[in-house]
Amino acid sequence: DIVMTQTPLSLSVTPGQPASISCKSSQSLLHSDGKTYLYWYLQKPGQSPQLLIYEVSSRFSGVPDRFSGSGSGTDFTLKISRVEAEDVGVYYCMQGIHLPPTFGPGTKVDIK
Amino acid sequence: EVQLVESGGGLIQPGGSLRLSCAASGFTVSSNYMSWVRQAPGKGLEWVSVIYSGGSTYYADSVKGRFTISRDNSKNTLYLQMNSLRAEDTAVYYCARDLTPWGQGTLVTVSS
Repeated sequence: DIVMTQTPLSLSVTPGQPASISCKSSQSLLHSDGKTYLYWYLQKPGQSPQLLIYEVSSRFSGVPDRFSGSGSGTDFTLKISRVEAEDVGVYYCMQGIHLPPTFGPGTKVDIK
Repeated sequence: EVQLVESGGGLIQPGGSLRLSCAASGFTVSSNYMSWVRQAPGKGLEWVSVIYSGGSTYYADSVKGRFTISRDNSKNTLYLQMNSLRAEDTAVYYCARDLTPWGQGTLVTVSS
């Protein structure tokens, strides 16, 4: 199985400041079709996970443009340009190139 | 509006069985790949099973041989039959359409 790691595991951010989460996979997530199957989810407190980013850098419908994804191969980053109070929760990266899909351990983001 | 509503969770003794349901609205279950993902209390996300539109099914090693994913096209509903339940199966179980959305989850507690 592909192992996903995330750093940091927790992050405390001042509103209006940027935040960055790193995600690494044990194998390349680049498929022969040219797509890279790396996703980012946010699980807000008491809610189910919601999709933020798909295929490394595409924002899902309705996701604010302060969220951006980047990376390639095995190294990926989620950036929040200016953190807002509503961004608190646990962020997970997930790979979808090989079964079973696997998730990172999660990065808990809270507000200072 | 696309919506998923899980049901069927509860308290069950080790070795027992439960069937989870995921009622879908706003789309056709059989036209999408549908997954079950679980989250143990205070833990991260673990993929459990998937059923593709063509009917192929796959399982995590941890549940293979004990869990069965299926769908009822006439009811537009996804199921997860869980047999030989163990304490480590205790989790909130989410159903998901493709990558999104996810349902609100149903809690399964395996305990004597």
